[in-house]
Amino acid sequence: SQQGEEDPQALSIQEGENATMNCSYKTSINNLQWYRQNSGRGLVHLILIRSNEREKHSGRLRVTLDTSKKSSSLLITASRAADTASYFCATETGGFKTIFGAGTRLFVKA
Amino acid sequence: DAGVIQSPRHEVTEMGQEVTLRCKPISGHDYLFWYRQTMMRGLELLIYFNNNVPIDDSGMPEDRFSAKMPNASFSTLKIQPSEPRDSAVYFCASSPPHRSTLANYGYTFGSGTRLTVV
Repeated sequence: SQQGEEDPQALSIQEGENATMNCSYKTSINNLQWYRQNSGRGLVHLILIRSNEREKHSGRLRVTLDTSKKSSSLLITASRAADTASYFCATETGGFKTIFGAGTRLFVKA
Repeated sequence: DAGVIQSPRHEVTEMGQEVTLRCKPISGHDYLFWYRQTMMRGLELLIYFNNNVPIDDSGMPEDRFSAKMPNASFSTLKIQPSEPRDSAVYFCASSPPHRSTLANYGYTFGSGTRLTVV
């Protein structure tokens, strides 16, 4: 069973626009992570936000976490064609078990 | 460090054959995870180890699947006998010690093994 559910399933934007992806989960978490996967490749860790944090930034990435709503969002600002990939949220629960959502496929048009 | 190394990159086998996937985690990482990715089911956690000991294997689909970690630098995932529905990309990932509360850690994934069972 999947813990995280991403929304939207697919997103197409123009280069330079911002991209926002959302993740909802079901149970209490230790932390929530976002990963990127380029077609045919392994997943790459982008950012981790702990359960006691509300917002985190890394370069053009901004992640928010609302534990009361069991949801998180990933914002990519000033998107580039190279940002085209699938993005997954992953929730780490007790025992360090990490479950991935179904992912959002982002397509950035040049 | 060369990262998490998986082999083979691609494997095509006939139904009923035994398949062994291999993983070398990053040195110093004490957690190792096996995931399976398919279009239908997404990324599924199969099993994970801490300090070479299996902690949770509840994601292993059937008794046909087994995983071992004989030492800190090597793990295998074995499917015997293989079936067409096992066709997927299998990822291995490793993580540094979770007791670190200050570091911004994440899991490092290997490039995956694409398994096709015909």
